[in-house]
Amino acid sequence: AQTVTQSQPEMSVQEAETVTLSCTYDTSESDYYLFWYKQPPSRQMILVIRQEAYKQQNATENRFSVNFQKAAKSFSLKISDSQLGDAAMYFCAYRGAAGNKLTFGGGTRVLVKP
Amino acid sequence: DTAVSQTPKYLVTQMGNDKSIKCEQNLGHDTMYWYKQDSKKFLKIMFSYNNKELIINETVPNRFSPKSPDKAHLNLHINSLELGDSAVYFCASSRLTEAFFGQGTRLTVV
Repeated sequence: AQTVTQSQPEMSVQEAETVTLSCTYDTSESDYYLFWYKQPPSRQMILVIRQEAYKQQNATENRFSVNFQKAAKSFSLKISDSQLGDAAMYFCAYRGAAGNKLTFGGGTRVLVKP
Repeated sequence: DTAVSQTPKYLVTQMGNDKSIKCEQNLGHDTMYWYKQDSKKFLKIMFSYNNKELIINETVPNRFSPKSPDKAHLNLHINSLELGDSAVYFCASSRLTEAFFGQGTRLTVV
């Protein structure tokens, strides 16, 4: 079974600074997708970024970028120029290419200090 | 237009009652899910449906019964509610990759 681990329960960052969230996963599949979701206090689950395992290039979405290391099964999220609105829970998630579910990590709470 | 909508947003009920949560998606997706988020924010899959057929049931008590009348709807009925059922329940849908989530239903059993 696939597992997703986020080792940082909470991270704090100064406004305008950069923070990196860690995620590792375990799988025997070669083709899969990885995601980062943001959950603000409103509890809405918002997709931040997606990475296809077959792509070597790291995905970026504006201030959000990932460092995908397939051999190491690592998928970290970097938030640059942090803003107050970035404060939220962040979840790493895995989906096998032929799978029918997303498996989530335990989440990392990001605090942004003004 | 809301892509995945679930109702109600909040539900407070007494132990032993039966309740339902409704979910609808207008994205044309084939697959729909129910996830449970516990008090520690951990998200766990409960059920997955593809084209109205149940494909995943992750050892959920049989007091929980999903119903998919069509591809766009997946409702969750819970019988004999227990204190431990208190959580946020998310409906989601997907086609091939990422899932799109509803706004969640906070269920409180008292």
